[in-house]
Amino acid sequence: KNEVEQSPQNLTAQEGEFITINCSYSVGISALHWLQQHPGGGIVSLFMLSSGKKKHGRLIATINIQEKHSSLHITASHPRDSAVYICAVTTLGGGGADGLTFGKGTHLIIQP
Amino acid sequence: DTGVSQDPRHKITKRGQNVTFRCDPISEHNRLYWYRQTLGQGPEFLTYFQNEAQLEKSRLLSDRFSAERPKGSFSTLEIQRTEQGDSAMYLCASSSRDRRTQYFGPGTRLLVL
Repeated sequence: KNEVEQSPQNLTAQEGEFITINCSYSVGISALHWLQQHPGGGIVSLFMLSSGKKKHGRLIATINIQEKHSSLHITASHPRDSAVYICAVTTLGGGGADGLTFGKGTHLIIQP
Repeated sequence: DTGVSQDPRHKITKRGQNVTFRCDPISEHNRLYWYRQTLGQGPEFLTYFQNEAQLEKSRLLSDRFSAERPKGSFSTLEIQRTEQGDSAMYLCASSSRDRRTQYFGPGTRLLVL
């Protein structure tokens, strides 16, 4: 079993829809990261969370430490949001001294 | 552009050849990470440097792989005697002393024929 699980693996939605991507983890963490990867490979860090909720524009990330679960929400989705969204964690006491452990990613397509 | 650069962006090589990749992190960042990503998978941690010291290596990093960061600035990742299974995207990231957000380079895509 992977230490970081994401769902769904693939998501296709219509422009304007509210999007939710889920991440569950099974290890102790010091932080959880949401990353965005566009075709061609470049990865951009969207959020880093250790508790609560963060908002940036149309993106909202939440984390529940007790349940070991995080969600990434996109409001008023747009075709330019189409990308792979990756959940990653910084594990406590290992994982390469803050090297990240990644989920497999959620491939999001927003259709016009 | 995150400020982290990698060279080359693409590399095609024949099985058995050696390849070397370079990563230039954001200049004030003392931490540097190498990751590998195969098609359809999330990235996997390979190794980590704090300044010039290599402090952690994954079990994924076989004896054919070696990484250096000689002056605590740029880093190189060398793969000797490449195998087809080495085909992947090799990603570099850097972070600052507060060990928080990691900034990723564009990656080097390796294809071993």
